[in-house]
Amino acid sequence: EDQVTQSPEALRLQEGESSSLNCSYTVSGLRGLFWYRQDPGKGPEFLFTLYSAGEEKEKERLKATLTKKESFLHITAPKPEDSATYLCAVQAMSGGSARQLTFGSGTQLTVLP
Amino acid sequence: NAGVTQTPKFQVLKTGQSMTLQCAQDMNHEYMSWYRQDPGMGLRLIHYSVGAGITDQGEVPNGYNVSRSTTEDFPLRLLSAAPSQTSVYFCASSYSRSSYEQYFGPGTRLTVT
Repeated sequence: EDQVTQSPEALRLQEGESSSLNCSYTVSGLRGLFWYRQDPGKGPEFLFTLYSAGEEKEKERLKATLTKKESFLHITAPKPEDSATYLCAVQAMSGGSARQLTFGSGTQLTVLP
Repeated sequence: NAGVTQTPKFQVLKTGQSMTLQCAQDMNHEYMSWYRQDPGMGLRLIHYSVGAGITDQGEVPNGYNVSRSTTEDFPLRLLSAAPSQTSVYFCASSYSRSSYEQYFGPGTRLTVT
């Protein structure tokens, strides 16, 4: 069974204080690991897909990295508008077909001005 | 493009009542899915469809029905609402099941009393 664990559950940062969010996963045959951002009262918004260990992707102040067991979302010099819940999800391959996404419970990030 | 739209945004039901949550997308996506989001549990897949006329069960299908008569619409029916179905429901779509980027709707917050 695919499993995704995100930590911490909540994180409060001062504006400009860099940090990292963690996503640990257990999956047989990883096809992709996804990061989404979710603002209060809205649906998740796609950020990144990572395919293999060692891969990195960047977007503005966010950088996602992937190892064989976990992924990190690094936030550099965050701003209050980065406040949101960040979701991690994995997709496995089974019998040559992509399986459904398995989501973690998210990290709620608050950036204080 | 409106993207993925969901109606209603909020709904209160009494135990035993039935209702349909509407979902539509205008991106000509083949793959559509329904998730529920509960505190501390992440997004869980209810049902999904890989194209018009084809649906299948996800992780938590009990108490819900779906059908897909057109590419655009994917309604979710609650047959006999129970308090355990109190949740936020999200509809999502993507070009195909193997597509990496899913587009989520704004969600429906359902309370069953």
